[in-house]
Parts: sequence; C-alpha cells; structure tokens
Amino acid sequence: EVVLTQSPATLSLSPGERATLSCRASQSISPYLAWYQHKPGQAPRLLIYDASNRATGIPARFSGSGSGTDFTLTISSLQAEDFAVYFCQQHLTFGQGTKVEIK
Amino acid sequence: EVQLVESGGGLVQPGGSLRLSCTASGFTFGSYWMTWVRQAPGKGLEWVANIKDSGSEEYYVDSVKGRFTVSRDNAKNSVYLQMDSLRVEDTAAYFCARVIIGATTGRTNRFDIWGQGTMVTVSS
Repeated sequence: EVVLTQSPATLSLSPGERATLSCRASQSISPYLAWYQHKPGQAPRLLIYDASNRATGIPARFSGSGSGTDFTLTISSLQAEDFAVYFCQQHLTFGQGTKVEIK
Repeated sequence: EVQLVESGGGLVQPGGSLRLSCTASGFTFGSYWMTWVRQAPGKGLEWVANIKDSGSEEYYVDSVKGRFTVSRDNAKNSVYLQMDSLRVEDTAAYFCARVIIGATTGRTNRFDIWGQGTMVTVSS
C-alpha cells in the first residue's frame, strides 16, 4: 500500500506570496496523483489530477508537477481565498494534509 | 448544477447504528462509481467505501469491513452508508464523492465532486 507524506505540515505565508507544497509517495505512482483544497465546513475541491492537469474551473495560479515519487503543488500568488488545507491523493490513499495559513 | 448533498449524521452511542444518505443532482448518477470518505476531528481524509456504478461491487477499508454497508439506488440518484456496531473511533465528518476511474488503470483516479459532509459522533 502506498503511503503519501506531505510537507510541510503548516505553511505560513502572506497574500501574494508563492506557495510550494510537497507530496512524496512511498513508491512510484506516476502520474496518478491528485490535489484537493479543503476549507472547514465546505466540500473538498479537486484542484489537480494526474499530477499536472487542472480540474475544471480551477484558476491558473494553481499548478501541479512531479513524477515518480515526488510531486509538488504550486500556488503562484496566494489570494485570500486560498488559505486552506491541501491534500494529495493516489487511488484510495490520502496524504495527511498541509495547512496554508496567513502569516 | 452538479451537486451532492449528504444527510443522516448525528449523535449515537457506541454499538449503535446510523444510515447516511447522499443525493446527487446535475449529472447521470448511474454512470459513476461513488465513494464515502471520512475525516476524524483534527485528522486527515480517510477513504471508507466505494460502490460500482451498477451497485454490483463494493469495497471497504479494513477498519469498517463487516460493520458498514454501502448501497445505492440509481432511480433515486442516491448512495447510502449503513453503519452498524459503531465505535468511538468512527466519529468523523463523512463525505460522499463522485469517483473518476482511470481509463488506463481501471482504478480510482480521483474524486471530482464532493458533498459538504455530515457529522457522525459516537459517544456515550
């Protein structure tokens, strides 16, 4: 079973800054990795699938990259609405999440 | 509008039962696998169960096998999670989501539509 490890656990940044989130798999899963945004009390939102494909309606400031075991979600310029928890997922496994908080 | 709405959560004693429902709208429900995912307080997301589009196949995480049953009624655009023999550790927000199966892998690729969740609290 694949284990997904996300880092850092918390990212403290200011609006306008670039956010770089990491997801490392315990074995090669390329390219089948997805990223989600989750805010308290809301439905999780699919951002990226197959490592680098933006889901429908997702702004261009969100991008995904990586292959093999190492994957990255980048938010090029944080907007107020981007402060949330982000999860990676492969098949039936989720990472533990990275919280992006306002510095 | 594509939407999933869960209901049926609440407070239940250990050993008790609860049935969650998830009603879909805005898409051809019977063409998609569906899933239940949960999030315990302060924890990450955990996959719970999948059900095939036809309802003919079901899969569960080991911790709920024999206690939870996923089912669906395509005529009612609904998927259900019957939870029996509930434990304190089942306390979580439960989300239903639409599954996209990978064209080349035949496995769960992603969950593209989610509901807002329903809270289940197991406590005496």
